[in-house]
Amino acid sequence: QSALTQPASVSGSPGQSITISCTGTSSDVGGYNYVSWYQRYPGKAPKLMIYDVSLRPSGVSNRFSGSKSGNTASLTISGLQAEDEADYYCTSYTSRITPRVIFGGGTKLTV
Amino acid sequence: QVQLVESGGGVVQPGRSLRLSCAASGFIFSSYGMHWVRQAPGKGLEWVAVIWYDGSNKYYAESVKGRFTISRDNSKNTLDLQMNGLRVEDTAVYYCARDHLDPPRTFDIWGQGTVVTVSS
Repeated sequence: QSALTQPASVSGSPGQSITISCTGTSSDVGGYNYVSWYQRYPGKAPKLMIYDVSLRPSGVSNRFSGSKSGNTASLTISGLQAEDEADYYCTSYTSRITPRVIFGGGTKLTV
Repeated sequence: QVQLVESGGGVVQPGRSLRLSCAASGFIFSSYGMHWVRQAPGKGLEWVAVIWYDGSNKYYAESVKGRFTISRDNSKNTLDLQMNGLRVEDTAVYYCARDHLDPPRTFDIWGQGTVVTVSS
């Protein structure tokens, strides 16, 4: 199963909004509302930011939001802050052949 | 606090075996599915395997199927990954991760990782 497609990098200025896309197929992103997003600082373990397309775990800022249209999911960060500069990864569940999780290649956000 | 601590990583020759462990604390381990995820040097994250909360189902990435075995001991709050027939391309940081959903599909708590190096 190929990785989900994310842009290698995005950038924005403090206070602005940015969107990171995550493109898959009808067998994964498009077939289930099971997309998650993770924030990762260098040398640290990833942190869950969004699950099931648009749900935020407790403690995650409401500046982070998720959506999906067809085979593409998106993570939007509003009111950009310097601390948002990190790598962001998407994942999707798929059960084509066997249940598993597939990752996107990751997006470097520069603020 | 909720915590996952991996151990067992090291340097091993191609074709040999290694067993990773993940010790869970701060939550009811037997209620959660668990995953192994890895990251090879210079590469992105790759899902490796998942085990249901009760051990009833286990699934693997194609790249490790038939060589790796995921298991858990809910009485000891531990998750294991038995890795046989290791290859150079298995070199990576291996993370265990908790999943609070059913079917398991996300990683809400991660360990800090253990390094596996496969080299002759």
